[in-house]
This record gives sequence, C-alpha cells and structure tokens, in this order.
Amino acid sequence: SQKIEQNSEALNIQEGKTATLTCNYTNYSPAYLQWYRQDPGRGPVFLLLIRENEKEKRKERLKVTFDTTLKQSLFHITASQPADSATYLCALSSVSSASKIIFGSGTRLSIRP
Amino acid sequence: DVKVTQSSRYLVKRTGEKVFLECVQDMDHENMFWYRQDPGLGLRLIYFSYDVKMKEKGDIPEGYSVSREKKERFSLILESASTNQTSMYLCASSSSVEKLFFGSGTQLSVL
Repeated sequence: SQKIEQNSEALNIQEGKTATLTCNYTNYSPAYLQWYRQDPGRGPVFLLLIRENEKEKRKERLKVTFDTTLKQSLFHITASQPADSATYLCALSSVSSASKIIFGSGTRLSIRP
Repeated sequence: DVKVTQSSRYLVKRTGEKVFLECVQDMDHENMFWYRQDPGLGLRLIYFSYDVKMKEKGDIPEGYSVSREKKERFSLILESASTNQTSMYLCASSSSVEKLFFGSGTQLSVL
C-alpha cells in the first residue's frame, strides 16, 4: 500500500542552525510533493510544492529537494528561529485526482533560543 | 487569501448523537475534503467532493456521511457518534491537486 514516512521523533535544533526534515515514500509515483506547516490546534498551512521533474525549490529560508529515484524529499529551514517551531507535514499528489493526495504524519520541530 | 471556515473549534457530544460539522470556503473551489487527524496516524481522508452533489469515499468513510448542496459548503455528518470518532476534524478546499487550504479544525470529543 502507499506509504509516507517522516521523522517519527521530534527534532530539536539550536536557533540559527539549519533544520532538515525527511519525507520518504513507497508504492506511489507522485507528480507533486507538498510541504505544510501545522501549529498546535490549527489546520495545516501550505508552504511549498515541488514537481516530479524538479530537483530543488527555494522560498526565502526554505529549500525542498525531491529525488524520485530515492523516493525522498528533504525540507530545509536555514537560519532557523524559535518561530519556526511547528509540525511539518509532507504530502504527495498525482495529476489524476485530488482525492489521491496522501499525507505523512508529520515531524515536530522545536527551535531552542 | 482563501478562507476556509469551520463552524466550531471545539465540540462535545454524547454517544449516539447525530453530529453535524460545517465547512464553508470563499474561493469558489471545486474540491472540498474532510480529514480526521489522530496522533501518529496523520491526516486520513474521510470524504472528498469534486462538485455540488458529487462525492467520493476516502480511506475511512464508515460511520460518516457528507452533503454538498452548494459549492461553498461541505458538511460532515456523524449519524450516530461513537467514542472512537473523538478526533480533530479538518476541512480543506482546493482548485487543483497542487495546494490545499485548510480550516482551523474542529476538536470533537464524544463521551
């Protein structure tokens, strides 16, 4: 069955360092991979999308890579700040139907001052 | 910005009650979704709607039904609430497969 795995353990990073989160998947050929941020008690908020034919995407301090051979995406936050503390979810989607979007369970990131 | 509004942030119901969760979006999106989110299990799709009166079952539709009579509104119905339906319920909308807009969620407790 289709499966997405994210770092199950929480990630604790010193402020100013680069945080790297991993998303691995199996039994899926996604056209797109998305990253969302979720704060406690709130709904996820879209951050970035990367397409299957793209290797890397950047937005301000965020960088996403997508390796369809390894079936893996890495999500980097450079110069991390305490305000970046949240849970980050990755999601895969295909072009066929929006109902086929699947989400990972998320990685909780804590940035300590 | 797109706004997806869920009618309640917190809801407490009793076992056997009929529960309605309402969701409204303001961007004329065709697609609307209901997910539930439980610790360690991620978001699981309950139902998806791609147009008015059109719906598809998601991964866990048992015990739920939905209604989409108007494009902007998507309702989730728990016909007879049970304790295992205690969860965070998230509504989302989209115009494509590329980006979902989520509401703030409804934390439902069934006692």
